[in-house]
Amino acid sequence: AQKVTQAQTEISVVEKEDVTLDCVYETRDTTYYLFWYKQPPSGELVFLIRRNSFDEQNEISGRYSWNFQKSTSSFNFTITASQVVDSAVYFCALGLYNNNDMRFGAGTRLTVKP
Amino acid sequence: GAVVSQHPSWVICKSGTSVKIECRSLDFQATTMFWYRQFPKQSLMLMATSNEGSKATYEQGVEKDKFLINHASLTLSTLTVTSAHPEDSSFYICSARDPARVVGYTFGSGTRLTVV
Repeated sequence: AQKVTQAQTEISVVEKEDVTLDCVYETRDTTYYLFWYKQPPSGELVFLIRRNSFDEQNEISGRYSWNFQKSTSSFNFTITASQVVDSAVYFCALGLYNNNDMRFGAGTRLTVKP
Repeated sequence: GAVVSQHPSWVICKSGTSVKIECRSLDFQATTMFWYRQFPKQSLMLMATSNEGSKATYEQGVEKDKFLINHASLTLSTLTVTSAHPEDSSFYICSARDPARVVGYTFGSGTRLTVV
């Protein structure tokens, strides 16, 4: 069975601070995909990144960066120089290649204060 | 590309009535769509997998007679909450997989259901 754990329920930072959101996953499959989504108060899910299990290269996109480490089954997300607009709930999710559905972590509510 | 439209975005209904939520893939054909439910401050929980032309597959604990799913075409799946009760109030969100993508899940904008 697959499982995604986001141990941080809520995080509060002050604007311009860096913040890392943790994600640990479990799966017995060798081919899988990891995702991060942002859910602002309006509710829609905003896709941030997808990473496949064979690509451990870290990725940077603007102020966002992701650290994928298969050895620790982690896919952490860092926001550099956080802004108030980053305030949202962030979900890490796992998708298997042979299955269709995705499993979501519990989410981390990030609050960035001015 | 890969846009999923969900309608309505919010609905308020009286207890005992039924509510239909639509999920459409606008620029691709989706043989499979997924319905999730999200309670306030909680994660998304998969309710069911909707398969075009066949019966939906429900997750354990989800009442199939209460949450009717119809996937009559390759671009439309509907979720009907029958005889709604206040405890059915939740955020419902659908997703669809674009088969042209290796693993491409696109989500609708969600429907906030309030049963009064």
